[in-house]
Amino acid sequence: NAGVTQTPKFQVLKTGQSMTLQCAQDMNHNSMYWYRQDPGMGLRLIYYSASEGTTDKGEVPNGYNVSRLNKREFSLRLESAAPSQTSVYFCASRRLAGGPKVEETQYFGPGTRLLVL
Amino acid sequence: AQSVTQPDIHITVSEGASLELRCNYSYGATPYLFWYVQSPGQGLQLLLKYFSGDTLVQGIKGFEAEFKRSQSSFNLRKPSVHWSDAAEYFCAVGRFSWAGGYNKLIFGAGTRLAVHP
Repeated sequence: NAGVTQTPKFQVLKTGQSMTLQCAQDMNHNSMYWYRQDPGMGLRLIYYSASEGTTDKGEVPNGYNVSRLNKREFSLRLESAAPSQTSVYFCASRRLAGGPKVEETQYFGPGTRLLVL
Repeated sequence: AQSVTQPDIHITVSEGASLELRCNYSYGATPYLFWYVQSPGQGLQLLLKYFSGDTLVQGIKGFEAEFKRSQSSFNLRKPSVHWSDAAEYFCAVGRFSWAGGYNKLIFGAGTRLAVHP
C-alpha cells in the first residue's frame, strides 16, 4: 500500500513550457486535491476533485488545469509555465466523496518540486 | 475570513527538552483543527486532529495538542523532544466551502523545528 504517489519528484522548466504532474492513490479514496506550498504561506488549494468525474477550482487555479483520469489518478497540468509557478506541489486524497465532513483526514504525497526559469 | 497563524517561524530546542508550538485560528464556527508534520523531502503526515469532545488530543509520536476556544488556540506539545522530531510543523483548520462545494484545509505558514543534541 503505497498511499499517495507523485511524479516527478523534481522538474526544471523554462518559461512557456508545459508539463503534467501526476498523482495516484491506492487507498480507494474518492476525493483528491492539488495544493501548492510557497515559503511563508503554508499550502494553498489549486484544484479539487470530489469524486471520479468531477473537478473544481480551489483558491489559486489560474494557470493550471486538472484531469481526474479515474478514481486513482488526478493530474495537474501547466500549459505555459511562469516563474510565479515555481513551488512545491502536493497531491492529497480523502476517503469521502465531497460533503461537509471536514474532520476527514487528507493524506498527502511526497511532493513535486518545480522550478520555472 | 478564516485564517491560521503560527507565530514562530523557527524554533530550536535541545534534545530532551519540552516543546510547545503555537497555533491561533480565526474561524466563525466550531473549528476542525489539524497538526501535520513535514520531514525534509517528505509529504505531510497527520500528527493529530480535533473536531469535538475532549479538548486535549493525543497524537502519534508522543505529541498532544490542546484546544482552547477562549484563546482561539490549538498549541502542539511534546514533553521530551527527540532529534528525529526536527521537521516543519503545520497547523490547519478544515473548512467546507458551501459555494464551491468542496472541503479544503487552510494552513498556517509553518514552524520549522531544529533539535540540538
